[in-house]
Amino acid sequence: QQQVKQSPQSLIVQKGGISIINCAYENTAFDYFPWYQQFPGKGPALLIAIRPDVSEKKEGRFTISFNKSAKQFSLHIMDSQPGDSATYFCAALGYTGAGSYQLTFGKGTKLSVIP
Amino acid sequence: KAGVTQTPRYLIKTRGQQVTLSCSPISGHRSVSWYQQTPGQGLQFLFEYFSETQRNKGNFPGRFSGRQFSNSRSEMNVSTLELGDSALYLCASSLVPTNSPLHFGNGTRLTVT
Repeated sequence: QQQVKQSPQSLIVQKGGISIINCAYENTAFDYFPWYQQFPGKGPALLIAIRPDVSEKKEGRFTISFNKSAKQFSLHIMDSQPGDSATYFCAALGYTGAGSYQLTFGKGTKLSVIP
Repeated sequence: KAGVTQTPRYLIKTRGQQVTLSCSPISGHRSVSWYQQTPGQGLQFLFEYFSETQRNKGNFPGRFSGRQFSNSRSEMNVSTLELGDSALYLCASSLVPTNSPLHFGNGTRLTVT
């Protein structure tokens, strides 16, 4: 079964610090790696995504680093703010055949940014 | 543009009953996927529909079913509810079922007593 392993389960960071969340995958056929942010009572929202042909993608304070050979990717949140407190999910998209794709999620990281 | 709309937001059902959840995708989106979210298992894929056809199905029992209508709206049904079916059920839409971004609704919280 396709799996994506995410760590840590929870993370506490001081305001202004760097939050780092890591994910690892097994299936080399995955070809799209999005990160989702979820606030309580809301559905996940796409934050940033990367394809395996690049090693890094930056959007504002959010950066994805991608290591294809190690089959790992990570989310870095620079200058973390209390408003970043949410649950973050990494995911990987793979082709399952017959023209269909499936997104497999990590189990999530609950980030708390304290003032 | 309106986002993905799921109704109802909350449901309380008794074991053995059945339930139907509804999802209206973003206008123009033709692919709808359903996910079950629980604290222990995270987000698990249920199924995906495109052009009224189920294109992909996750590892859930046959009690879980769905359908898509010609206007891309989708419903999922769970029959013979079990306590373990208590979860947040999320619907997501995308333009087409390829590697285009998924846009999630805020979910339906189902509690089975």
